[in-house]
Amino acid sequence: DSGVTQTPKHLITATGQRVTLRCSPRSGDLSVYWYQQSLDQGLQFLIQYYNGEERAKGNILERFSAQQFPDLHSELNLSSLELGDSALYFCASSADPTSYSYNEQFFGPGTRLTVL
Amino acid sequence: KNQVEQSPQSLIILEGKNCTLQCNYTVSPFSNLRWYKQDTGRGPVSLTIMTFSENTKSNGRYTATLDADTKQSSLHITASQLSDSASYICVVSGGGGTSYGKLTFGQGTILTVHP
Repeated sequence: DSGVTQTPKHLITATGQRVTLRCSPRSGDLSVYWYQQSLDQGLQFLIQYYNGEERAKGNILERFSAQQFPDLHSELNLSSLELGDSALYFCASSADPTSYSYNEQFFGPGTRLTVL
Repeated sequence: KNQVEQSPQSLIILEGKNCTLQCNYTVSPFSNLRWYKQDTGRGPVSLTIMTFSENTKSNGRYTATLDADTKQSSLHITASQLSDSASYICVVSGGGGTSYGKLTFGQGTILTVHP
């Protein structure tokens, strides 16, 4: 158990809908990362938040948005869903995002999103 | 472009045998390189993390090597067990700019250990 929790574990929805994925980081970790893992692709970095502020952006679509709240939990919002958005969405947390540290990330169990 | 390439894509070995997985990267500037193990449908779990100055690091039966000059890394698994069946992902941290903590992921090597 990494200490990172994600809810829900599974989500089934229809095209055009909007969903919210939730992540609680490990106790004491200030940084949260979101990743997408599709069947035919590896892990794709979406976005990073550090202590409530956006820190880095990866391949995140405009239909997707995220935020980190004062209690450090984070939500990933996916809107106007398409079939291709079906994937595993992982959240990870780390204590310190600076590049000179090990910056080890601990991954949650993931949310499996199925868009029908 | 920052890239991480892993080989082979998949590998099948018999229980008890050793194997080596390869990772080549072009991420610059380089911060660190880590190997993750990901069981099917689960989140990745860190095996080793190495910085520029480290050229080998072990974690039980897993030994990672890093050659920062050639930008290559390998993960050696000794005396494989059935539970080693998983995807092994090479991840490089760095890339410059404001990409603190940004990671570039390889596609992974799927290892299957047969009894």
